Amino acid sequence: DAGVTQSPTHLIKTRGQQVTLRCSPKSGHDTVSWYQQALGQGPQFIFQYYEEEERQRGNFPDRFSGHQFPNYSSELNVNALLLGDSALYLCASSLGRYEAFFGQGTRLTVV
Amino acid sequence: SQQGEEDPQALSIQEGENATMNCSYKTSINNLQWYRQNSGRGLVHLILIRSNEREKHSGRLRVTLDTSKKSSSLLITASRAADTASYFCATDGRVAGGSYIPTFGRGTSLIVHP
Repeated sequence: DAGVTQSPTHLIKTRGQQVTLRCSPKSGHDTVSWYQQALGQGPQFIFQYYEEEERQRGNFPDRFSGHQFPNYSSELNVNALLLGDSALYLCASSLGRYEAFFGQGTRLTVV
Repeated sequence: SQQGEEDPQALSIQEGENATMNCSYKTSINNLQWYRQNSGRGLVHLILIRSNEREKHSGRLRVTLDTSKKSSSLLITASRAADTASYFCATDGRVAGGSYIPTFGRGTSLIVHP
């Protein structure tokens, strides 16, 4: 079992560009959550997907959007990138009311 | 806003000593989880304790939960240099459908000197 996998591991984008991050959940998991972690801070909840629908959303602007596919994998899209979007983006998968397992994250740098 | 707040923010100890980290939270919970993070990479799940449990052990880890005080502690015994990491508590501050959404604090940065 590969666990939760995220791609890419690192990327650098320019202000105003758009970015797509990808996540494959742990085998058997049906729920994917995305978090943003700024340097020195704890992870902040962005949104959660279940059955291909956004089930819950944190305090993030509409520039942040996502998608879940029938195989439960997920994408996080960020439009019109700002310098402040530079962070580690973490994906977590879970099944029902059990602990969430995290991927290694994607380090996004906006220049 | 962050539901759980860890204390201290940073802790520096010698190998072999015990490390204790505390977490306080604001609203009622169903469970509380502790995670570890090495060098800004992914979070590793350490232990989950349910609201009806008071103490839980896993290897060198001991977690306590006091729901009356809305607090939890993580004790790492006989620490090793490899325990150097950031430790986060996460509470299930929100529920979406049947799934809990862990809400994290800012973490405790632990440094264990060899």
